[in-house]
Amino acid sequence: GAVVSQHPSWVICKSGTSVKIECRSLDFQATTMFWYRQFPKQSLMLMATSNEGSKATYEQGVEKDKFLINHASLTLSTLTVTSAHPEDSSFYICSARDPTWYSNQPQHFGDGTRLSIL
Amino acid sequence: AQKITQTQPGMFVQEKEAVTLDCTYDTSDQSYGLFWYKQPSSGEMIFLIYQGSYDEQNATEGRYSLNFQKARKSANLVISASQLGDSAMYFCAMREGNYGGSQGNLIFGKGTKLSVKP
Repeated sequence: GAVVSQHPSWVICKSGTSVKIECRSLDFQATTMFWYRQFPKQSLMLMATSNEGSKATYEQGVEKDKFLINHASLTLSTLTVTSAHPEDSSFYICSARDPTWYSNQPQHFGDGTRLSIL
Repeated sequence: AQKITQTQPGMFVQEKEAVTLDCTYDTSDQSYGLFWYKQPSSGEMIFLIYQGSYDEQNATEGRYSLNFQKARKSANLVISASQLGDSAMYFCAMREGNYGGSQGNLIFGKGTKLSVKP
């Protein structure tokens, strides 16, 4: 079964609204979660690393004020796209890894969120 | 320079035949991990197989095997006895450095779209 749950799976909203995406680890405590963005027919690009209890680490070129990340508990990280515009339309996917696992264990991904801004 | 290179944007294979998807990587770390993920059109990321930099034997998982050539920095995925359900995007990914614990995001290649013909 899924070990990482992401919600919602699909969002359509008007330009200017803010959208919150949740990522939950179901069977383990994830001190670190990762947020990726994927444009159609392209690869996954890391946006930010979410750290429980501290500020997220953003990749170069990712606007911190546009993409707010909150990792308030060991099982939940949220990504809020603030004042979304059509260019923010994309597939957003989170992942997490159980820190107690051996290093050969993969990151597990949520099922992703398709965000469409009209 | 790209860290992960997948040179085949698209591949076709006849059902029941084997197919090799290429992946080369670039890292100066001695310790790293290589992963293959499958992404069907629905978007979820499905972990297929892992190869550690210190693993002496090629990884195998059912119909999936990884042809790891460390000196050439290649980690090709071999899918045997292709099935129609194998049609999807396939991503090669790398995790660098000392990834014990919760750290260590994945760096993805651009992917290969595999189409299995009946």
